[in-house]
Amino acid sequence: DQQVKQNSPSLSVQEGRISILNCDYTNSMFDYFLWYKKYPAEGPTFLISISSIKDKNEDGRFTVFLNKSAKHLSLHIVPSQPGDSAVYFCAASASNTGNQFYFGTGTSLTVIP
Amino acid sequence: GAVVSQHPSWVICKSGTSVKIECRSLDFQATTMFWYRQFPKQSLMLMATSNEGSKATYEQGVEKDKFLINHASLTLSTLTVTSAHPEDSSFYICSAALNGQPQHFGDGTRLSIL
Repeated sequence: DQQVKQNSPSLSVQEGRISILNCDYTNSMFDYFLWYKKYPAEGPTFLISISSIKDKNEDGRFTVFLNKSAKHLSLHIVPSQPGDSAVYFCAASASNTGNQFYFGTGTSLTVIP
Repeated sequence: GAVVSQHPSWVICKSGTSVKIECRSLDFQATTMFWYRQFPKQSLMLMATSNEGSKATYEQGVEKDKFLINHASLTLSTLTVTSAHPEDSSFYICSAALNGQPQHFGDGTRLSIL
């Protein structure tokens, strides 16, 4: 049972425009969320996080939005750059399960120069 | 930033061979290490969680005797795929975490069983 879902396997965006990557989850106990970025043949790299006490967290060009009622989070990248082309995974955990995270299937972002 | 080293990055071996994969946290002591498996076009699937000095906690459906995990120190965990068969071919990734901090991942090991 996939508790974290990324329904768009791929996304293409023009350089300079906004990239929006979406993630939905089913477990209402999840209270901490992460986004990871992954290049081919490399491990995922931590990008940004958000806890359920917030609905927005911003770090430079990256902003994560959390809508708890909809069990939905999104990652906004603006402006998008060619170097942002990678696979992005969202992950979620519940505080009572320690560091155990559940991952989405990933969205492959291509930023077109 | 924190670095997790995973070795080897790619291994090819014959069916029936046992393969050991190492995961080291290089600049921090990880209270917990995780082992994931990724099939093509699928998400990272958690296989097991290990805390230093204690037995690993395996996810449902993961064979403990098939995937042996040893977490001997705060900086080293190993995954041994015993008597590997072609269906075990996959991409295995470890991660390490300090309490309350995001996991840091290794670069993964591509295992190919002939």
